[in-house]
Amino acid sequence: NAGVMQNPRHLVRRRGQEARLRCSPMKGHSHVYWYRQLPEEGLKFMVYLQKENIIDESGMPKERFSAEFPKEGPSILRIQQVVRGDSAAYFCASSPRTGGPTGNTIYFGEGSWLTVV
Amino acid sequence: EDQVTQSPEALRLQEGESSSLNCSYTVSGLRGLFWYRQDPGKGPEFLFTLYSAGEEKEKERLKATLTKKESFLHITAPKPEDSATYLCAVQVDTGSARQLTFGSGTQLTVLP
Repeated sequence: NAGVMQNPRHLVRRRGQEARLRCSPMKGHSHVYWYRQLPEEGLKFMVYLQKENIIDESGMPKERFSAEFPKEGPSILRIQQVVRGDSAAYFCASSPRTGGPTGNTIYFGEGSWLTVV
Repeated sequence: EDQVTQSPEALRLQEGESSSLNCSYTVSGLRGLFWYRQDPGKGPEFLFTLYSAGEEKEKERLKATLTKKESFLHITAPKPEDSATYLCAVQVDTGSARQLTFGSGTQLTVLP
């Protein structure tokens, strides 16, 4: 499967613990995005990364949330000291380098469902 | 502020009953309009990208069209397996920004 790979698919954390969500982009894609889907709400943009660079983090909560896309390995979305309101589906997406008619196409993974108890 | 509004929120069709879903948008500088399909417990599945008014794209029973203010997703002779939530999203032309702004979706149910 050459799609966007996310793990874990389901994660349960107690309040105050840390959650780490991983994302491997599609082969050949160098742009990674994280989106959040809260219960009964639409998909909301969180952050856009390229290798070793955060390009746009305008949708990230100011505290407890961070994201990285290292030179080697998957992109990581990290949520520290989780609270019940963090319970949501977190989707990673990727796209190829800019340019050309397909450069803007953004493909999503299957998501990671975080439940905070 | 960029806004995307989808209607109706929910739509129930009989198998074979064609219809259209609407996505109206207010943005400053449209780079692209995207349609996705999302099944329960799954991620959005890419369907189409439209870039300019007048553009049309087709895939099986689906056809997407774009004007300067809205997009339509036409479903011809739908089947039960077309049941899903259909999401519309816009990407605006602001330098390096590539984020998508999503509508709230239309939940389509096709009855056999």
